[in-house]
Amino acid sequence: KAGVTQTPRYLIKTRGQQVTLSCSPISGHRSVSWYQQTPGQGLQFLFEYFSETQRNKGNFPGRFSGRQFSNSRSEMNVSTLELGDSALYLCASSLQGAPKEQYFGPGTRLTVT
Amino acid sequence: AQRVTQPEKLLSVFKGAPVELKCNYSYSGSPELFWYVQYSRQRLQLLLRHISRESIKGFTADLNKGETSFHLKKPFAQEEDSAMYYCALMETSGSRLTFGEGTQLTVNP
Repeated sequence: KAGVTQTPRYLIKTRGQQVTLSCSPISGHRSVSWYQQTPGQGLQFLFEYFSETQRNKGNFPGRFSGRQFSNSRSEMNVSTLELGDSALYLCASSLQGAPKEQYFGPGTRLTVT
Repeated sequence: AQRVTQPEKLLSVFKGAPVELKCNYSYSGSPELFWYVQYSRQRLQLLLRHISRESIKGFTADLNKGETSFHLKKPFAQEEDSAMYYCALMETSGSRLTFGEGTQLTVNP
């Protein structure tokens, strides 16, 4: 099976702009989770979607949002970008049920200038 | 709230030596624990999960509920084991992974 794919792989944006990142899960996986990875804060959970519904949300401001489509593909959006949003954004997919193994994509490297 | 602590940011050993990467957690319920590994320029990938009690690439990890630890061990380290290792906890009824800060393991020849 093809792994989790994320597009684009690299992105440079300016403060104040907005950005949309895309994630395609492994075929058959219905749960998609997003994580932010930075040198200072490490890996932090953003949110998780299952069957087009947000099931879980981390401690991030409302500028961070996401959605999931009927084919399980997911997008996350960050509005009004700040310099501190520069990070590697990881998407992970998993099957419903236990064990809840998550399979990660390569990430999107976002740089905000 | 759950928390995962990896006390060593950097760990360096020689090839053939035993290695132990420490992980401690705090969680009020019965967690599911994982070890993830990230090799240079590769994606984060699952190494071990505590419920399977299997050995992957010679690594094992035992959940000690009394000490709230899930240390990763390998009796004889190899150079190809050099990577960043993350311990992670998932709450029983959830889907959120809480990661530790990670340990960069370097195996010297």
